[in-house]
Amino acid sequence: QKEVEQDPGPLSVPEGAIVSLNCTYSNSAFQYFMWYRQYSRKGPELLMYTYSSGNKEDGRFTAQVDKSSKYISLFIRDSQPSDSATYLCAMSPYNTDKLIFGTGTRLQVFP
Amino acid sequence: ETGVTQTPRHLVMGMTNKKSLKCEQHLGHNAMYWYKQSAKKPLELMFVYSLEERVENNSVPSRFSPECPNSSHLFLHLHTLQPEDSALYLCASSQVSGQGVYGYTFGSGTRLTVV
Repeated sequence: QKEVEQDPGPLSVPEGAIVSLNCTYSNSAFQYFMWYRQYSRKGPELLMYTYSSGNKEDGRFTAQVDKSSKYISLFIRDSQPSDSATYLCAMSPYNTDKLIFGTGTRLQVFP
Repeated sequence: ETGVTQTPRHLVMGMTNKKSLKCEQHLGHNAMYWYKQSAKKPLELMFVYSLEERVENNSVPSRFSPECPNSSHLFLHLHTLQPEDSALYLCASSQVSGQGVYGYTFGSGTRLTVV
């Protein structure tokens, strides 16, 4: 079993839709949870950062962590064509700098 | 220059060539990383340097050789590569504290093709 599982997609949605991206994990020691966005021919950029369980909102983006289910989500409201990218989840245990990444989900938002 | 810069952006090399990838971070971070990104696979951690010391070598073949001369620069020296080494090579940096890391800042990567 992989430490982090993420559906590779592609996920294709119309502009304005609510998008839900998810990852599951197996290591209960993970404490830090992140979402990265990667545009074509670019490196990943940090989008959302969450410590432990709970929700975090930033504009149209909401990150949720459910440690009891070992499940994290990223919601994008009012999706735009400019949101078309690959979204990678990443996580790490406390007191370490090693990030474990998912495979990434490719999202396409069409006008 | 800001953030993390990688050169070259694209590299095509033969299996007998020797080349080097360069990474420079302008963020004052204390750790740097090399990752390999292949299609439909998670990012694969190759090397970690913390405070200029290599702290991790993730069973990477010896045809990949890292070098970290100071906290701002990181190199990946390549020789006698195989076609399966073709991938996007990403450099990242972070500021590591006693509790952990606030995520990485990535460069745009070097797209490597081995022919």
